[in-house]
Amino acid sequence: NAGVMQNPRHLVRRRGQEARLRCSPMKGHSHVYWYRQLPEEGLKFMVYLQKENIIDESGMPKERFSAEFPKEGPSILRIQQVVRGDSAAYFCASSQQGTGDYEQYFGPGTRLTVT
Amino acid sequence: DAKTTQPPSMDCAEGRAANLPCNHSTISGNEYVYWYRQIHSQGPQYIIHGLKNNETNEMASLIITEDRKSSTLILPHATLRDTAVYYCIVRVARTGNQFYFGTGTSLTVIP
Repeated sequence: NAGVMQNPRHLVRRRGQEARLRCSPMKGHSHVYWYRQLPEEGLKFMVYLQKENIIDESGMPKERFSAEFPKEGPSILRIQQVVRGDSAAYFCASSQQGTGDYEQYFGPGTRLTVT
Repeated sequence: DAKTTQPPSMDCAEGRAANLPCNHSTISGNEYVYWYRQIHSQGPQYIIHGLKNNETNEMASLIITEDRKSSTLILPHATLRDTAVYYCIVRVARTGNQFYFGTGTSLTVIP
């Protein structure tokens, strides 16, 4: 059973470009979470999605960031007009549906570098 | 979700038990204690979780005090590959409720 997959693993963008990060959850998981980890810091929650729905985006910056989880295909975290402060590791996690006492399984992350 | 307090760093000799403490004095009755670890910037790895009973799996044991205000993660025979940052998280077990990661404990296993 494949784990959570993220791509690309490393992404370099110039200031002002767009970054698209993809996450494929574990098989059978319909809940996806995105976290950001700045250098030397812990993970910070960004957004929680189910298929075709954003459930909680309380951790997302108000501008330039968006996320989706379409009916078909991976979840996408999109960062428009990137700035140097967006340089971080972005982790995706997934969990099963319908249970509260559950664990989230994390992917390997995408390391975004803005030059 | 309740706040947790962990020592910033610990050392452990290879082959010995590593005991990682966590204080969560404001934990509420419906909050679980979870442990994750992150090895050198990889994605966090689930270790174990529990509500009030002690738990054991193939990776570790979780000891929760009777008043649930603190807990200890035990790695019975630490190896060099257990060197990582260990996060203690308390959260309400509700679908969609995210995990709040603090700064964790950086465990170094020494040969």
